[in-house]
Amino acid sequence: KAGVTQTPRYLIKTRGQQVTLSCSPISGHRSVSWYQQTPGQGLQFLFEYFSETQRNKGNFPGRFSGRQFSNSRSEMNVSTLELGDSALYLCASSPLGLAAYNEQFFGPGTRLTVL
Amino acid sequence: DQQVKQNSPSLSVQEGRISILNCDYTNSMFDYFLWYKKYPAEGPTFLISISSIKDKNEDGRFTVFLNKSAKHLSLHIVPSQPGDSAVYFCAASNGGSQGNLIFGKGTKLSVKP
Repeated sequence: KAGVTQTPRYLIKTRGQQVTLSCSPISGHRSVSWYQQTPGQGLQFLFEYFSETQRNKGNFPGRFSGRQFSNSRSEMNVSTLELGDSALYLCASSPLGLAAYNEQFFGPGTRLTVL
Repeated sequence: DQQVKQNSPSLSVQEGRISILNCDYTNSMFDYFLWYKKYPAEGPTFLISISSIKDKNEDGRFTVFLNKSAKHLSLHIVPSQPGDSAVYFCAASNGGSQGNLIFGKGTKLSVKP
């Protein structure tokens, strides 16, 4: 079974631009979660999607948004990029999500650099 | 306010010996705990989990112990191997009503040959 894939792997943007990251979950997994990893804050939860609906949301500003498609693939969008948005963005999938005590399987991440 | 704490940023162990990684949490509503291993430039890899109804879970060389009264869990790796060198993250969840993981900041384990 193929693992979680994320595209692109690396991205460089400038302040004020917007960016869209993509995540393809493991086949059959309906829950997709997004995390931001920075050296100072560690791994922080952004949001979870399940069956095309946002089920949980972390403590991030509205510039961070996401969506999920009917095939469970998910996208994350960050608008009006700031320098502090430079981070590794990780996507994780699971069959039914943590609410069902499923462990999450992570993709390799997208390294976003904002200049 | 950090709800999940890994107080040791790094740990160095000799090959063949036991590695013990510790994790403390503050939220008594957490009922599902997981350990992940992470290599540079890769996403975290799930290692082992434990629910709050258990106090121990074993999988090969990896054992996780949970002490609910102390709000403490630990990961034991026996015997440690050089390939175990990575950053280990402890994560907690209130699975019943909260669908996200709260991660500690990680402990970098170095296993020396």
